[in-house]
Amino acid sequence: GAGVSQSPSNKVTEKGKDVELRCDPISGHTALYWYRQRLGQGLEFLIYFQGNSAPDKSGLPSDRFSAERTGESVSTLTIQRTQQEDSAVYLCASSLERGNGYTFGSGTRLTVV
Amino acid sequence: DAKTTQPPSMDCAEGRAANLPCNHSTISGNEYVYWYRQIHSQGPQYIIHGLKNNETNEMASLIITEDRKSSTLILPHATLRDTAVYYCIVRGAGTALIFGKGTTLSVSS
Repeated sequence: GAGVSQSPSNKVTEKGKDVELRCDPISGHTALYWYRQRLGQGLEFLIYFQGNSAPDKSGLPSDRFSAERTGESVSTLTIQRTQQEDSAVYLCASSLERGNGYTFGSGTRLTVV
Repeated sequence: DAKTTQPPSMDCAEGRAANLPCNHSTISGNEYVYWYRQIHSQGPQYIIHGLKNNETNEMASLIITEDRKSSTLILPHATLRDTAVYYCIVRGAGTALIFGKGTTLSVSS
């Protein structure tokens, strides 16, 4: 597709359940980011994939959070044993390695009840 | 931690130029200045970036001081649709893009 695609667009889950969020980057983009944005807050960096390099996981808030990316394609962000504080919009962005800028998806709105 | 300082909010009249300042006094020689904006309930949108030369595209102009310690994003003719949070970000190649609090620009008629 022409843009970054994220699914699902909305997810409501019960506290304690695991969730998996998906990001399909723009074809050919080697760099991929995940961010979290809580209501009324700024963007919080979570993880950064750059080609075949080891990902920068410095933003992951706890070991309940993990992300994978297969090559330069789809990425999944997994949150285990969700908590209400995990409620947020999770945004994915991708870019060419030295591209002009990052293209963001529309995000997945996660609500933990 | 964000390496930039921006005013929390600014106002601009529709049709006038909006000049958004950003201080990045600790910028390194290989770090670029990026600008993004986020309109309510949408994902961030790339606007422009530069290293040391001034840049212009269809959306905006970026003016970087000679010492590279500050920059200004210029929206030449602001419209109501330019109301958004504008983020100035300093980033080196291959490093994470870290967002700060940004400037909330309110354009009014």
